[in-house]
Amino acid sequence: DGGITQSPKYLFRKEGQNVTLSCEQNLNHDAMYWYRQDPGQGLRLIYYSQIVNDFQKGDIAEGYSVSREKKESFPLTVTSAQKNPTAFYLCASSISGQNEKLFFGSGTQLSVL
Amino acid sequence: GDSVTQMEGPVTLSEEACLTINCTYTATGYPSLFWYVQYPGEGLQLLLKATKADDKGSNKGFEATYRKETTSFHLEKGSVQVSDSAVYFCALTDSNYQLIWGAGTKLIIKP
Repeated sequence: DGGITQSPKYLFRKEGQNVTLSCEQNLNHDAMYWYRQDPGQGLRLIYYSQIVNDFQKGDIAEGYSVSREKKESFPLTVTSAQKNPTAFYLCASSISGQNEKLFFGSGTQLSVL
Repeated sequence: GDSVTQMEGPVTLSEEACLTINCTYTATGYPSLFWYVQYPGEGLQLLLKATKADDKGSNKGFEATYRKETTSFHLEKGSVQVSDSAVYFCALTDSNYQLIWGAGTKLIIKP
């Protein structure tokens, strides 16, 4: 079955630690996205990538970093510079990044120890 | 900038009741409009979309009509089921094709 796989489902971060969230898709989509979801708020875009080896900052990129070395993979690193990292993180993909349907993974809940 | 406003939840209904979740937007240009649904513990799924004024999107008994004159895209269903309990997000695409999201409305359906 085609889809998006996020791992781990739950992740805990210690003070000063960088952590990496995994996102893999086998849909052959060009575009991939990372969103942050906080309780009672809409999704906020962290980073997106429309093609391999290229990515753009979203609305809340500070304290995060990404890479896009392979079409199917778009990992997100939450760095120690992100002072309020506790949130639900969602990865998504779309065919080309041009106004079509987004497919979402099942998310990673990140909490601070 | 572009924005989406949804009615606050939670919305609690009995099974077989009629549902309306309000969504209004502000946007330059002519955005496409979407409703996504998030079931507990899962990612979001596209429920329906409309790409131009007066279009009606529909899926799984839900429908919404793109109303340019009132800048609205209200989600409706004639008879809800317990399995419809979820969080519903209204969204639009801006001029750069990025999605602008509403805050979400939690729907609780009681048997």
